[in-house]
Amino acid sequence: QGHLVESGGGLVKPGGSLRLSCAASGFVFSDHYMSWLRQVPGKGLEWLSYISTSATTRQAADSVKGRFIISRDNSENSLYLEMNSLSVEDTAVYYCARTIGTDSLAFDLWGPGTKVTVSS
Amino acid sequence: SYVLTQPPSVSVAPGKTASITCGGPNIGRNSVHWYRQRPGQAPVLVMFDDSDRPSGIPERISGSKSGNTATLTISRVEAGDEADYYCQVWHGLSDQVFGGGTKLTVL
Repeated sequence: QGHLVESGGGLVKPGGSLRLSCAASGFVFSDHYMSWLRQVPGKGLEWLSYISTSATTRQAADSVKGRFIISRDNSENSLYLEMNSLSVEDTAVYYCARTIGTDSLAFDLWGPGTKVTVSS
Repeated sequence: SYVLTQPPSVSVAPGKTASITCGGPNIGRNSVHWYRQRPGQAPVLVMFDDSDRPSGIPERISGSKSGNTATLTISRVEAGDEADYYCQVWHGLSDQVFGGGTKLTVL
């Protein structure tokens, strides 16, 4: 079925940077698109970015475009999210998710999430 | 921007049927996916492409769509179904949209 575990969250000051990691196991990582999403505590879900199997295609939501960069290392079964110019509005739980579908993407496997707090 | 509208809350007695709606313009043209999120846990995909169930999701959970509204139906509701439910549509190359979520309360 598969397993995803995020890491790298924590407390960071406004304007700072953070790199999140996501370790995948139990499925062929290189066969799947992957995504990052987030959820402000008590609020709804927000998709942030996805990356294709060979990293040739990446898309990002307008809210993070130019600040957040998604990447992957298929040899390490790992997904990453480089987050720059962080603001308090970026405080949330960040999830990585396996991404399925062709015309319409869905997220069929999620990690437990890692919490990012942006505060001075 | 594209907006999906869900009722904030739905309440249902055990053993009854719960229907959670998701409305949006031209939703008929897009595949709708549904997620269940129990308190303190990550979301779980419970329905994709309007009415397809991932493996492990019971048959009493079903999805449908008519006009501008998609519906997630949970039959024979159990206490374990109490959770937040989110619909999601892929609307454009860089625009995934989630509904605001519906809190399902089992009375």
